Amino acid sequence: DAGVTQSPTHLIKTRGQQVTLRCSPKSGHDTVSWYQQALGQGPQFIFQYYEEEERQRGNFPDRFSGHQFPNYSSELNVNALLLGDSALYLCASSLLGRDEQFFGPGTRLTVL
Amino acid sequence: AQSVTQLGSHVSVSEGALVLLRCNYSSSVPPYLFWYVQYPNQGLQLLLKYTSAATLVKGINGFEAEFKKSETSFHLTKPSAHMSDAAEYFCAVIPAQRSGGYQKVTFGTGTKLQVIP
Repeated sequence: DAGVTQSPTHLIKTRGQQVTLRCSPKSGHDTVSWYQQALGQGPQFIFQYYEEEERQRGNFPDRFSGHQFPNYSSELNVNALLLGDSALYLCASSLLGRDEQFFGPGTRLTVL
Repeated sequence: AQSVTQLGSHVSVSEGALVLLRCNYSSSVPPYLFWYVQYPNQGLQLLLKYTSAATLVKGINGFEAEFKKSETSFHLTKPSAHMSDAAEYFCAVIPAQRSGGYQKVTFGTGTKLQVIP
């Protein structure tokens, strides 16, 4: 049983560009959450998707948007990249209402 | 708002010594609490969780944690450190009662554990 997978593993972009990160949840899971982990920090909640809708959102600007597809996979889009967006982006999947989230290995985004 | 505070960003122990990583939570009602481990360049792996059942929770790799409401603490311990325990550990919290079942997990800032041979 494959766990949570994310692509790409690493990404380098320049300021002002746009980026799309992808996540496939663990088999059987219906909820996907995205987190940003800056260097030396704990993960910060970006948003959570269920039934193709954003259900909860953390304190992130509208430049951060997402999507969930009918097969429960998800994308995170970041527009107008800033240097401060450089971080490890983690995807986590779960079943709605359950306590445990399963994390993917993350995508390391570097903005130059 | 719920939050967790991890005391000590770096902890060093000798191989075979007791591991103690501290976590205190802030919440008006007892929340659900978690410990995750992160190895370099990897995602997070759940070590253990407290969800209002037994206050002493046993997890993987010999770790355990005790929920103490009076101290608002959820410290992580392991009797004997192993070299493979070197990693970063995160305490995390979610509300016990969640509207719609949605889960916004709030993480602490992490504690890096170094194990000295």
